[in-house]
Amino acid sequence: EAGVAQSPRYKIIEKRQSVAFWCNPISGHATLYWYQQILGQGPKLLIQFQNNGVVDDSQLPKDRFSAERLKGVDSTLKIQPAKLEDSAVYLCASSSAGNEQYFGPGTRLTVT
Amino acid sequence: GENVEQHPSTLSVQEGDSAVIKCTYSDSASNYFPWYKQELGKRPQLIIDIRSNVGEKKDQRIAVTLNKTAKHFSLHITETQPEDSAVYFCAASIRNDMRFGAGTRLTVKP
Repeated sequence: EAGVAQSPRYKIIEKRQSVAFWCNPISGHATLYWYQQILGQGPKLLIQFQNNGVVDDSQLPKDRFSAERLKGVDSTLKIQPAKLEDSAVYLCASSSAGNEQYFGPGTRLTVT
Repeated sequence: GENVEQHPSTLSVQEGDSAVIKCTYSDSASNYFPWYKQELGKRPQLIIDIRSNVGEKKDQRIAVTLNKTAKHFSLHITETQPEDSAVYFCAASIRNDMRFGAGTRLTVKP
């Protein structure tokens, strides 16, 4: 079974620039999550999709972050404009009917 | 919303000793409690989980206990090995909405 795929793996941008991350979940997994993991901290949920609908985006900074999952499979997370404090690893995870979440390798974002 | 606290933040043990990491949660409706291991620069990997209808679960050297009344759960690693060195995260979940603890950095000294 192929795992969760993410790209790019690394990204360096200047503050106020825009950036987008892509995630392809495990085939058949209806639920997709985006997490932000700041160095030394646990993953923080940004947004949760069930198929192509948003289940929870209460911790998503909506003034600068957006995410979509148009066809209920792949998802993109965008930051516009980026701030220094957005430097983190952005993890995508997916799950099926059970609660088990499987994580992708993450995208390490550095904002300078 | 759910709040998960994890202790200790760092833990150092001698190879062969046991390690215990504890977590508490705030929402009594949480019903799923996974533990993840994250090695440096890698993704979190699920190592064991427990559901609210079970008090204890064991998988070889790893065990998890859950006390629903007190709203706390613990990870126990016996006969620790250097390759157990990593950051461990607990989490509590309600209907797939998962909140993580801050992590415990475990170091196993050979």
